[in-house]
Amino acid sequence: EIEMTQSPATLSVSPGERATLSCRASQSVSSNLAWYQHKPGQAPRLLIYGGSTRATGIPARFSGGGSGTEFTLTISSLQSEDFAVYYCQQYNNWPRTFGQGTKVEIK
Amino acid sequence: EVQLLESGGGLVQPGGSLRLSCAASGFTFSTYAMSWVRQAPGRGLEWVSGLSAGGGTTYYADSVKGRSTISRDISKSTLYLQMNSLRAEDTALYYCAKVGRSSTSYDAFDIWGQGTMVTVSS
Repeated sequence: EIEMTQSPATLSVSPGERATLSCRASQSVSSNLAWYQHKPGQAPRLLIYGGSTRATGIPARFSGGGSGTEFTLTISSLQSEDFAVYYCQQYNNWPRTFGQGTKVEIK
Repeated sequence: EVQLLESGGGLVQPGGSLRLSCAASGFTFSTYAMSWVRQAPGRGLEWVSGLSAGGGTTYYADSVKGRSTISRDISKSTLYLQMNSLRAEDTALYYCAKVGRSSTSYDAFDIWGQGTMVTVSS
């Protein structure tokens, strides 16, 4: 099983600032890596797939990078609606695995 | 509009069984791989089980292997998760999710349902 490790666990950011989230895989997942945003009471929302491709309707302030074992999600200028928990997930191997999540909170 | 609607959750005693359903609409259900993902209270997302696009291959997390069965009814555009020998640690909100591209299992989950809650308690 591929273990996904996200850092930091919590990120305190002021609106308008940049946020960078990290995700590390215990072995290579190529570019088969997705990022999701999850808010309480809502379904998770796909932000990025293929490591760096924005999903339909996702604002350009969200960008993904990396391949192999190291990945990042960057939110260039945080808006109020961006405060949420973010998960990375690999879909290169079975079982599919998620990171433990990074909570982005208002500073 | 593409939609997934889960049902079948509820309160069940330890050792009991439940069958979760996920009604799909707005896409060609028979050509998409599907999965179940859960979130226990206060915890993160955990992938539980997957079904290939062709429906012939199933996958399970170790935590549910041997106790759960994923299946689908194409005529009803519905995905199922039969869960047996339920334990307290199975208590969670269960989501169904579809992958973004047809005919492959190797893709992200682009559409999720709102989830159905399973509580295992005596």
